[in-house]
Amino acid sequence: QSALTQPRSVSGSPGQSVTISCSGTSSDVGAYNYVSWYQQNPGKAPKLMIYDVSKRPSGVPDRFSGSKSGNTASLTISGLQAEDEADYYCCSYADTYTLVFGGGTKLTVL
Amino acid sequence: EVQLVESGGGLVQPGGSLRLSCAASGFTFSTSWMHWVRQAPGKGLVWVSRINTDGGTTIYADSVKGRFTISRDNAKSTLYLQMNSLRGEDTAVYYCTSGASTRFDPWGQGTLVTVSS
Repeated sequence: QSALTQPRSVSGSPGQSVTISCSGTSSDVGAYNYVSWYQQNPGKAPKLMIYDVSKRPSGVPDRFSGSKSGNTASLTISGLQAEDEADYYCCSYADTYTLVFGGGTKLTVL
Repeated sequence: EVQLVESGGGLVQPGGSLRLSCAASGFTFSTSWMHWVRQAPGKGLVWVSRINTDGGTTIYADSVKGRFTISRDNAKSTLYLQMNSLRGEDTAVYYCTSGASTRFDPWGQGTLVTVSS
């Protein structure tokens, strides 16, 4: 049950696009289309942004999109806005019916 | 309003026990898979445990297996986490959340557990 690998930090200017990667193995990310992404602001509970690799819950802007290739999932935020600055976590279903999160990525909007 | 409210956190000595509760409202608790997720101070999210709708299937992370027990009372719309043999590394904010697969929504506000002498 090793954590999925995410970059510790990414940054971008308003209006730009950023992509956050989430690397796993053939036992988690690569095996299932059950990858989700969460946004967390300081002192707050996480918020679901993407589920089942690329589906967006109602209310989440379409600037947020998800994808997967092999053992790596990605979250792309286009048209970056100041309010997007937060920590982002990926999560995947894994073998033995467990789940695993990534280590988290801090997004800074310059 | 869909809501999850955790309670039961606090300060406990190493080796001690604590039971967390999570009261659900605004959605059909009895048909929802439920999970506990924790976050140590300044660290990332870590999945802890999950339970199916009738409580008959429970799964745990290796780090808590044999020490923690997840359970639910559908009549009371409440989720529980019994934590025994607590260690310093169990210090964290514990969140309850609902969802199938990895689609966790909603989340509670979290309850802080501190294991220290």
